[in-house]
Amino acid sequence: QKEVEQNSGPLSVPEGAIASLNCTYSDRGSQSFFWYRQYSGKSPELIMFIYSNGDKEDGRFTAQLNKASQYVSLLIRDSQPSDSATYLCAVIRSGSARQLTFGSGTQLTVLP
Amino acid sequence: DAGVIQSPRHEVTEMGQEVTLRCKPISGHDYLFWYRQTMMQGLELLVYFNNKAVMDDSGMPKDRFSAKMPNASFSTLKIQPSEPRDSAVYFCASTEEGATDTQYFGPGTRLTVL
Repeated sequence: QKEVEQNSGPLSVPEGAIASLNCTYSDRGSQSFFWYRQYSGKSPELIMFIYSNGDKEDGRFTAQLNKASQYVSLLIRDSQPSDSATYLCAVIRSGSARQLTFGSGTQLTVLP
Repeated sequence: DAGVIQSPRHEVTEMGQEVTLRCKPISGHDYLFWYRQTMMQGLELLVYFNNKAVMDDSGMPKDRFSAKMPNASFSTLKIQPSEPRDSAVYFCASTEEGATDTQYFGPGTRLTVL
């Protein structure tokens, strides 16, 4: 089992729709969870981080964490073509200081 | 405020040659990370430093890779000898103690070993 798993996609949604990206992790003791966005040929950039169970909203983005189910998701409301990118889920596992373990990423395409 | 700086941005070399990648972290950041990204393996942590000391290099092939951080504002990742399987994008990232653990990535170095 991979430590951080994501559906590789590609995921296609029409412009204006809600895009839902999912991630599961294997280390139950993981404390910190991150979503990075990576445009083709560019470096990853942070979208959101979440530490506590529940929802965290920032503009059109909502991160959801359920530690009991070892599941973290990212919702993008009113999706725009500029949201088309690969979304990387990352986790800091227990006892690993500040080391991020990344999932393989989900490729999102927002169709105009 | 300048972000993480990496050089070169692109490197093409022949198998067996030495390659040196360079990174300047964000000023004040005391953690520095080196990652490698390939289509097959995704984003993998090779090594990371805290206050210039290596904290974990378990992801780095030690027979050919070496990483150094001689001062707080400069790090190198050296590959000697390089092999075609080392072809990848190498990212450097930094963060600071007491922050939200957010890592800021440099633009990356695309390495091609022929």
